[in-house]
Amino acid sequence: QKEVEQDPGPLSVPEGAIVSLNCTYSNSAFQYFMWYRQYSRKGPELLMYTYSSGNKEDGRFTAQVDKSSKYISLFIRDSQPSDSATYLCAMSATGAGTYKYIFGTGTRLKVLA
Amino acid sequence: GAGVSQSPSNKVTEKGKDVELRCDPISGHTALYWYRQSLGQGLEFLIYFQGNSAPDKSGLPSDRFSAERTGGSVSTLTIQRTQQEDSAVYLCASSLARRQPQHFGDGTRLSIL
Repeated sequence: QKEVEQDPGPLSVPEGAIVSLNCTYSNSAFQYFMWYRQYSRKGPELLMYTYSSGNKEDGRFTAQVDKSSKYISLFIRDSQPSDSATYLCAMSATGAGTYKYIFGTGTRLKVLA
Repeated sequence: GAGVSQSPSNKVTEKGKDVELRCDPISGHTALYWYRQSLGQGLEFLIYFQGNSAPDKSGLPSDRFSAERTGGSVSTLTIQRTQQEDSAVYLCASSLARRQPQHFGDGTRLSIL
């Protein structure tokens, strides 16, 4: 079993829809949770960075962390065709291994105009 | 401002040749990371540099892989005697410090013939 599981998609939605992207994990030591967006032939771009549980909002993006369920989500409101990309979740533990991000395999999102 | 810069963006070489990949981190970032991204796989941690400390090489897949960071800035990842399974995108990231979020370059696409 992988430490971080992420549905590869593709997920296709109409423009304007609310998108929900999710990851589950098995390591209870994870405390830092990140979401990256990756366009084709580009590097991952940091969208959200959260510590421990709770919600964080930034514009159209909301990140949620539920540590009791070992489940994190990224919500995109009013989705746009420009949001079409692969979304990667990443997480790390505290302490000496903080810098070792463990990534999901990514979910491909297509927003249809 | 300038982001993480990687060169070359693409590299095609024959099996058995050595290759060098270069990473120029964001100015002022003390931490530097190398990851490998293979098709359908998540990002795989390779190596981590922090200031003048000894690097964490625990993710390097074999002794054919090595990396150095000169003057606390530019880093070079070297793969000796390349094999076809080395074909992947090699991504470099940097962060202000160990616990700060990582910012990625666009990667080097390596193809071994």
